[in-house]
Amino acid sequence: KNQVEQSPQSLIILEGKNCTLQCNYTVSPFSNLRWYKQDTGRGPVSLTIMTFSENTKSNGRYTATLDADTKQSSLHITASQLSDSASYICVVSAKAGNMLTFGGGTRLMVKP
Amino acid sequence: GAVVSQHPSRVICKSGTSVKIECRSLDFQATTMFWYRQFPKKSLMLMATSNEGSKATYEQGVEKDKFLINHASLTLSTLTVTSAHPEDSSFYICSARPPDRFNEKLFFGSGTQLSVL
Repeated sequence: KNQVEQSPQSLIILEGKNCTLQCNYTVSPFSNLRWYKQDTGRGPVSLTIMTFSENTKSNGRYTATLDADTKQSSLHITASQLSDSASYICVVSAKAGNMLTFGGGTRLMVKP
Repeated sequence: GAVVSQHPSRVICKSGTSVKIECRSLDFQATTMFWYRQFPKKSLMLMATSNEGSKATYEQGVEKDKFLINHASLTLSTLTVTSAHPEDSSFYICSARPPDRFNEKLFFGSGTQLSVL
């Protein structure tokens, strides 16, 4: 069964600090992995999309890593800002039928 | 960039009434759109896949007579919650993917918060 597990479920950090969110998956055959940011009451917004051959991809203060061998990904947020407070969702796409499997998300709160 | 517009953003209705939610792809034609449901502090749950010009494909456990999906054009899909009840209160989100099969991007609407009294 395809699964995507995210950790931690929730996280509180102080403004300016860095943090790393984790995503482990068992989706097969793997096509790509996406990280989304979802503000409360809004739809998800894409941060990064990574394919099998990509190890690292950055988008501003967000850096995603992918280890296809261990089936793990991380999202690192540098110098956090109050506006980073949101849910971060890891979504893995399988080649067969282009099915998407959603992780449960990590709810990040950045405090001043 | 591509944008998916969802309307309304919030709706409050009485129990027993029907509510229609629209999802539009603004600058690309979407042969396939997706509808999700999200409970508080939970991740998105795929409800159905909307295919232009054909019947929608519903996920297991989703009542197709309860959640009517119409994808009449390449830029518009609608979800109608029929005879809504308080347990249908939830956040509903649509998404659409540009038709280029090498383009893996998936764009989400801004969501609709449905509250059934």
